[in-house]
Amino acid sequence: TQLLEQSPQFLSIQEGENLTVYCNSSSVFSSLQWYRQEPGEGPVLLVTVVTGGEVKKLKRLTFQFGDARKDSSLHITAAQPGDTGLYLCADLPAMKTSYDKVIFGPGTSLSVIP
Amino acid sequence: GAGVSQSPRYKVAKRGQDVALRCDPISGHVSLFWYQQALGQGPEFLTYFQNEAQLDKSGLPSDRFFAERPEGSVSTLKIQRTQQEDSAVYLCASSSDVDYGYTFGSGTRLTVV
Repeated sequence: TQLLEQSPQFLSIQEGENLTVYCNSSSVFSSLQWYRQEPGEGPVLLVTVVTGGEVKKLKRLTFQFGDARKDSSLHITAAQPGDTGLYLCADLPAMKTSYDKVIFGPGTSLSVIP
Repeated sequence: GAGVSQSPRYKVAKRGQDVALRCDPISGHVSLFWYQQALGQGPEFLTYFQNEAQLDKSGLPSDRFFAERPEGSVSTLKIQRTQQEDSAVYLCASSSDVDYGYTFGSGTRLTVV
């Protein structure tokens, strides 16, 4: 059974600071997804990465997939209060059908203080 | 509709009471998933439907949990004889048949007292 770990569990920073959160898997990711979940809402997909070493940028967010496809990082530049939320990494299994049961990590809870 | 709609948003149940949670997926989405999310944790898979067929119910924690999607659109998650450990947010997600993006609803927060 695949186990996903995320660190840190909680992070509280001042507006304007940079931060990095991490995701590690006990086995190789098929495809890795990052979601953000705001309080009282469902998770929203931010990015999907497939290739080892891949780097994707989404405005102030930079996602990096490890070469061995067992880890990933999410870096946020100049954090804003709107970045507050639970950041979840997830594995999208290999079967390329609509039945892809996404397995989620426990999340990093980020709080950006104005 | 434009998004996945779940109702009620909040439900307080007395221990032993039966509850029913509704999910209205995006129109035309073939796949529907239910997840359970405990406070401060990531979502845990409960069950999956493709149209009206329940193809995977391996995540349902006990036989008190039952889900259905009789016409391949709206789905209901039923919990019988609720227990305190059932307190969680229940998330529904749908996906089209040709892409792999999940769209989640806002969830139902169930509190069993």
